Amino acid sequence: GESVGLHLPTLSVQEGDNSIINCAYSNSASDYFIWYKQESGKGPQFIIDIRSNMDKRQGQRVTVLLNKTVKHLSLQIAATQPGDSAVYFCAENSSGGYQKVTFGTGTKLQVIP
Amino acid sequence: ETGVTQSPTHLIKTRGQQVTLRCSSQSGHNTVSWYQQALGQGPQFIFQYYREEENGRGNFPPRFSGLQFPNYSSELNVNALELDDSALYLCASSLRVTSTEAFFGQGTRLTVV
Repeated sequence: GESVGLHLPTLSVQEGDNSIINCAYSNSASDYFIWYKQESGKGPQFIIDIRSNMDKRQGQRVTVLLNKTVKHLSLQIAATQPGDSAVYFCAENSSGGYQKVTFGTGTKLQVIP
Repeated sequence: ETGVTQSPTHLIKTRGQQVTLRCSSQSGHNTVSWYQQALGQGPQFIFQYYREEENGRGNFPPRFSGLQFPNYSSELNVNALELDDSALYLCASSLRVTSTEAFFGQGTRLTVV
């Protein structure tokens, strides 16, 4: 069945360093891959998405890389800040008349001041 | 803040009871999706509503049902509550049914005892 998973449950990064969060997926039919950030007590917040026919997309301080050959997705956060501390989810979006988003289990990013 | 509001924020119910959770979508958003998030896990897609009709459903039994109203607000109803229904229930609205970017509310924490 389809699944989206993460390699590391927790990632600790020094403030100012770059963070890389990795994700493996298994459903090759996904149209989009999405990264969400969830802070404690809040709902997930959309960060960035990438269409399945792309291999790189950049946003403000974030870059998402997609490697379809090995079914791997990563989120790079430049100059990590304390406000980046949260759980990060990769998710896949398969549209078949509706947008069904399948989330992975999440990686907790801890930023060390 | 996303503009998506959910009520109530917390709720305690007894096994076998029924519950209704409410969601006000962001202004102008015509698509609402509901997710169940168990502790320490990623959100699981329950269903999506568009134009007041269920537009797609995840692997949840029929005792999970919903409604969408003409103003695009939505309700999630769960009948015959089970202990395993204890979770954070998240509502997300999107500008269009084809949008990949979803805006989540803060969720309703349901505890079934």
